[in-house]
Amino acid sequence: DAGVIQSPRHEVTEMGQEVTLRCKPISGHDYLFWYRQTMMRGLELLIYFNNNVPIDDSGMPEDRFSAKMPNASFSTLKIQPSEPRDSAVYFCASRRDGYYGYTFGSGTRLTVV
Amino acid sequence: QKEVEQNSGPLSVPEGAIASLNCTYSDRGSQSFFWYRQYSGKSPELIMFIYSNGDKEDGRFTAQLNKASQYVSLLIRDSQPSDSATYLCASYTGGGNKLTFGTGTQLKVEL
Repeated sequence: DAGVIQSPRHEVTEMGQEVTLRCKPISGHDYLFWYRQTMMRGLELLIYFNNNVPIDDSGMPEDRFSAKMPNASFSTLKIQPSEPRDSAVYFCASRRDGYYGYTFGSGTRLTVV
Repeated sequence: QKEVEQNSGPLSVPEGAIASLNCTYSDRGSQSFFWYRQYSGKSPELIMFIYSNGDKEDGRFTAQLNKASQYVSLLIRDSQPSDSATYLCASYTGGGNKLTFGTGTQLKVEL
């Protein structure tokens, strides 16, 4: 199994630009999670999906952030417009129903200048 | 009060010693607890989980859970320099599908 695949690994963008982060979960996993990690706040859950349906987006910081999961093998997290305070590592994770441990992707390091 | 709390460290131990990492949680309804290891610049990796009070052993790792006192610990026996990493404690909160993480404890194993 290839694991959870995220792209790009690194993204540097200018303030105000749109950023799209991508995630392919492990095949057969029913849940997909987007987390953000910073030194100050640690790992924060942004949103999660179950069977492609968004269940809880209470962690999404503001309307500039949006996430979609059009099918079981693909999800995107979009930031528009981006701001310097969005700079962080964004992780995608997935798990099967009935198994409680997550598998994380390798993350996307986002830098907004 | 944060839902899952850890001492940020760093915790320094000599090679071969036992490293003890601790975590407390506030949600008495939490049933399952996880320890992740994160090397610098890498993603978190699940190393242990525990559901029941008491100890659970896996190789050099032992997870301990005390629900009455609301703490979880991870013991690493015969610590190696390769164990140097940040260890994240996590539990399910708010209904069971969201893992909430502590901020992690940095462990340094010195030669």
